[in-house]
Amino acid sequence: KAGVTQTPRYLIKTRGQQVTLSCSPISGHRSVSWYQQTPGQGLQFLFEYFSETQRNKGNFPGRFSGRQFSNSRSEMNVSTLELGDSALYLCASSPYLPDSLGGYTFGSGTRLTVV
Amino acid sequence: AQRVTQPEKLLSVFKGAPVELKCNYSYSGSPELFWYVQYSRQRLQLLLRHISRESIKGFTADLNKGETSFHLKKPFAQEEDSAMYYCALRASTGGGNKLTFGTGTQLKVEL
Repeated sequence: KAGVTQTPRYLIKTRGQQVTLSCSPISGHRSVSWYQQTPGQGLQFLFEYFSETQRNKGNFPGRFSGRQFSNSRSEMNVSTLELGDSALYLCASSPYLPDSLGGYTFGSGTRLTVV
Repeated sequence: AQRVTQPEKLLSVFKGAPVELKCNYSYSGSPELFWYVQYSRQRLQLLLRHISRESIKGFTADLNKGETSFHLKKPFAQEEDSAMYYCALRASTGGGNKLTFGTGTQLKVEL
């Protein structure tokens, strides 16, 4: 079955712009999480969605937002981009919430570069 | 708050030697721990989860609640084990879940 699909794979944006990243989870998975990966901070949790509701949020400014659609696809948006937002953004899906038996399946990520 | 510590950024071993990647955690609740691996140019993938007590690719990990550790072990390292390894803890808060990752350990298996 198809894995977690993230689009686009690469993005270059200018400071002050906004960006929208997309994630399609594995078919049947209803939980989607987003993570930011940088060399300095490692993997940091952004937010988690389940059944179109945000269930958990990490310690990121309000410029970072997201949503989930009825088909479980998710988008995250970053407004007023800063140079420090340059990172690999990873999406992960899991079957349901809570899921104490399984792990998360990650996508390949979207590499965002802010110039 | 939860925390995951992987003290080694880089671990270099020879092929056939035993491997132990260290992971310590801090969490007030009942922990659910995972090991994820990222091979070169590949996506992050689940290697092990403590609750299933399985062995994958020869790797095992035992949760030691007394020492708050979840070290990853393999008796004989193979060249294909070279990768970045992340220990992660899942915390359930406010009806949601989140994974807290360690900073990762780069394992290099030399011939």
